[in-house]
Amino acid sequence: QKEVEQNSGPLSVPEGAIASLNCTYSDRVSQSFFWYRQYSGKSPELIMSIYSNGDKEDGRFTAQLNKASQYVSLLIRDSQPSDSATYLCAVTPPGGGADGLTFGKGTHLIIQP
Amino acid sequence: EADIYQTPRYLVIGTGKKITLECSQTMGHDKMYWYQQDPGMELHLIHYSYGVNSTEKGDLSSESTVSRIRTEHFPLTLESARPSHTSQYLCASRSVEGTHEQYFGPGTRLTVT
Repeated sequence: QKEVEQNSGPLSVPEGAIASLNCTYSDRVSQSFFWYRQYSGKSPELIMSIYSNGDKEDGRFTAQLNKASQYVSLLIRDSQPSDSATYLCAVTPPGGGADGLTFGKGTHLIIQP
Repeated sequence: EADIYQTPRYLVIGTGKKITLECSQTMGHDKMYWYQQDPGMELHLIHYSYGVNSTEKGDLSSESTVSRIRTEHFPLTLESARPSHTSQYLCASRSVEGTHEQYFGPGTRLTVT
């Protein structure tokens, strides 16, 4: 059974600080990893994708992947109140079969002004 | 970013009614997906399609059915709605080439009374 685990939170971070969100996955052969942001009552919005070990930076966001530890994280620098949302970690299996995303339940992030 | 549309955005309907949730995308994406999300829970894949005349069931068993007669259109149908079908239904699409990045429509929030 494929699983993606996230701490549901809430994770409370002061405005301007770094928010660190973590995710572990059980399927060792997972190849693609994504972070989505979901505001309450809205649909998920893709904010980061990462495919190889290491760091990937995009603006205030940095995704980190460690396939050996089956661990992916998202750092949000200079956190803003508008970053308050649920962050969903998602992974895909290798080719073949259903290639839909497997999602974690998400981490609820609260940025305190 | 894909342009993907879902209608209706909200639907309240009585038990036993037949309903069709519409999903359309204008990016020419071959792959399309339907996910179901209950409040506070993770998204689950219920249907996917690799292209015209291709439909497959996802990881989560669903009484709904889908069709893919045109590339841009991927409707979901419930022949006889029940209160257990109350949920948010999210449509997504992606290109065959390149990454597994999926882009979501705004969702349909279905309530069956």
